Amino acid sequence: SAVISQKPSRDICQRGTSLTIQCQVDSQVTMMFWYRQQPGQSLTLIATANQGSEATYESGFVIDKFPISRPNLTFSTLTVSNMSPEDSSIYLCSVAPTRAEAFFGQGTRLTVV
Amino acid sequence: AQTVTQSQPEMSVQEAETVTLSCTYDTSENNYYLFWYKQPPSRQMILVIRQEAYKQQNATENRFSVNFQKAAKSFSLKISDSQLGDTAMYFCAFMKRSGGADGLTFGKGTHLIIQP
Repeated sequence: SAVISQKPSRDICQRGTSLTIQCQVDSQVTMMFWYRQQPGQSLTLIATANQGSEATYESGFVIDKFPISRPNLTFSTLTVSNMSPEDSSIYLCSVAPTRAEAFFGQGTRLTVV
Repeated sequence: AQTVTQSQPEMSVQEAETVTLSCTYDTSENNYYLFWYKQPPSRQMILVIRQEAYKQQNATENRFSVNFQKAAKSFSLKISDSQLGDTAMYFCAFMKRSGGADGLTFGKGTHLIIQP
């Protein structure tokens, strides 16, 4: 199993600013996943972060808007840049060490005003 | 690419009743996992049950069981003796068993309400 600590748990931000979300795992993992959950919607994969290489972004998500860092095997950050109200969502990080189960952080509820 | 479809946006049943949530998926993969995740208002994603595609036997976990029809690409969740604590969003999800940097593909979710 894996325990993920994600912070902040929530934030209210002004449009045009940036927010960095941190995700700490209690064990070493190769890949970390970042998801977005828009209000009342399902989870959509933003990108996959591997240690030592650039993140792999899904269609519709770009590095300039969602830069990701992965400095070691237990930590990753996702930045939401130049925010607009449309970025108001829950952002979740996840790991799946064996693919047989994915573990999630508790999510960051972001409101952009 | 994979797709996961949940056609029931919301369901409501009385406590102690049995309820079935539907899920269909599409993939060209032969080796994969299917999951049902529960998301209560706390936002925490909780694994309910997992099915390995190469196993014909349907997975069961206490009151939760699945009906996995691989040829039909169908994966429904049955909750028996439903309890108030089962009230939550339920997401059907797909993950390849091996390969590159793929995360989970989720359906749109079903909001399940258990009425007292």
